Amino acid sequence: KQEVTQIPAALSVPEGENLVLNCSFTDSAIYNLQWFRQDPGKGLTSLLLIQSSQREQTSGRLNASLDKSSGRSTLYIAASQPGDSATYLCAVRRGDNNDMRFGAGTRLTVKP
Amino acid sequence: NAGVTQTPKFQVLKTGQSMTLQCAQDMNHEYMSWYRQDPGMGLRLIHYSVGAGITDQGEVPNGYNVSRSTTEDFPLRLLSAAPSQTSVYFCASSYSSTGGGYTFGSGTRLTVV
Repeated sequence: KQEVTQIPAALSVPEGENLVLNCSFTDSAIYNLQWFRQDPGKGLTSLLLIQSSQREQTSGRLNASLDKSSGRSTLYIAASQPGDSATYLCAVRRGDNNDMRFGAGTRLTVKP
Repeated sequence: NAGVTQTPKFQVLKTGQSMTLQCAQDMNHEYMSWYRQDPGMGLRLIHYSVGAGITDQGEVPNGYNVSRSTTEDFPLRLLSAAPSQTSVYFCASSYSSTGGGYTFGSGTRLTVV
């Protein structure tokens, strides 16, 4: 059974810092991996989708990497801003269907 | 606005009651899913659908039923509510089976007493 772990559970940084969020998974036979953002009381917003054949994806200040063989992904946020405060979740997909397994998320606080 | 609409936003049920959580999308997405989110845990897949008339079970399907009679709607039925079903429920849709264009609703917070 695929297990997805995100460490740390919570992270607080001052504005302007670069930071890395971690996601690990137990079964390396994944189809793709996705990073989401969740604001309090809201649904999830997709940030980046990495296919199993890719090593990384970039969008603005966000960069996600994938190392399938080691079962790890990282989300790098450059020059963090208070507006980046949210919970970040990673999810892995096993195959060509809608079955995604989520981590519990990292709650990020960026202090002005 | 285009997107995924969930109703109601909040609901309190008594143990043993049944109810239906509604989900509708107007993006003509084939793929729709229901998840529950519990404190300290990631989202867990309850049921999903790859198109009208086709549904399948996810990781935690017990106690829930779904149907997909139209592309737009994907209701989730709680057959006999239990306190263990207290959770936040999210509906999602996508145009691709592999995650493209994934859009979530804003959630339904359900409490079973």
